Amino acid sequence: GQQLNQSPQSMFIQEGEDVSMNCTSSSIFNTWLWYKQEPGEGPVLLIALYKAGELTSNGRLTAQFGITRKDSFLNISASIPSDVGIYFCAGQLEGSNYKLTFGKGTLLTVNP
Amino acid sequence: DTAVSQTPKYLVTQMGNDKSIKCEQNLGHDTMYWYKQDSKKFLKIMFSYNNKELIINETVPNRFSPKSPDKAHLNLHINSLELGDSAVYFCASSQRHGPQVREQYFGPGTRLTVT
Repeated sequence: GQQLNQSPQSMFIQEGEDVSMNCTSSSIFNTWLWYKQEPGEGPVLLIALYKAGELTSNGRLTAQFGITRKDSFLNISASIPSDVGIYFCAGQLEGSNYKLTFGKGTLLTVNP
Repeated sequence: DTAVSQTPKYLVTQMGNDKSIKCEQNLGHDTMYWYKQDSKKFLKIMFSYNNKELIINETVPNRFSPKSPDKAHLNLHINSLELGDSAVYFCASSQRHGPQVREQYFGPGTRLTVT
């Protein structure tokens, strides 16, 4: 099936730094969702994007739906230790039957 | 309070056994999903029901059978468990708005270990 290329695979940063991660594909997407998963928990929805070019913020988090509809990025500003976790992008391929395809995740570690 | 709940949280069983995982959502959503997360944390959809009708059925062994008694519940029954079935299984729900996927909310997961 279609895959999303999520990068980076992992990040080790200092508290206070800004973080950026993205998902790209050769295919067109209708929806982008960004999730955070902590150990032993289910993914928690952070931001949902539905239109090309859409830029949405949720506190220190900002995500954008790429103009080409083939990519999306997530930025975290002024990271704090509780930002630690795995961040997943998920997208709905154009023409797919109401199905999300997930990226492989970005493991974020924040050093206090 | 819990939006999407699953039981049990942990399930340890032997090969060949049959087991079920239950999921309930109190969000009033009309669509529910089962996902499998492997040891590398990759999330893959297995099934989806919309108003008790199966709408997504990925390439999953027929030992796995979902059942939706009503739109607030989606259970997963697994027959003849194999070692490779060990994973974390997540239930999720969303409200359908036309053809576009909207926010999906996940349960806490069920960690299945087959010995």
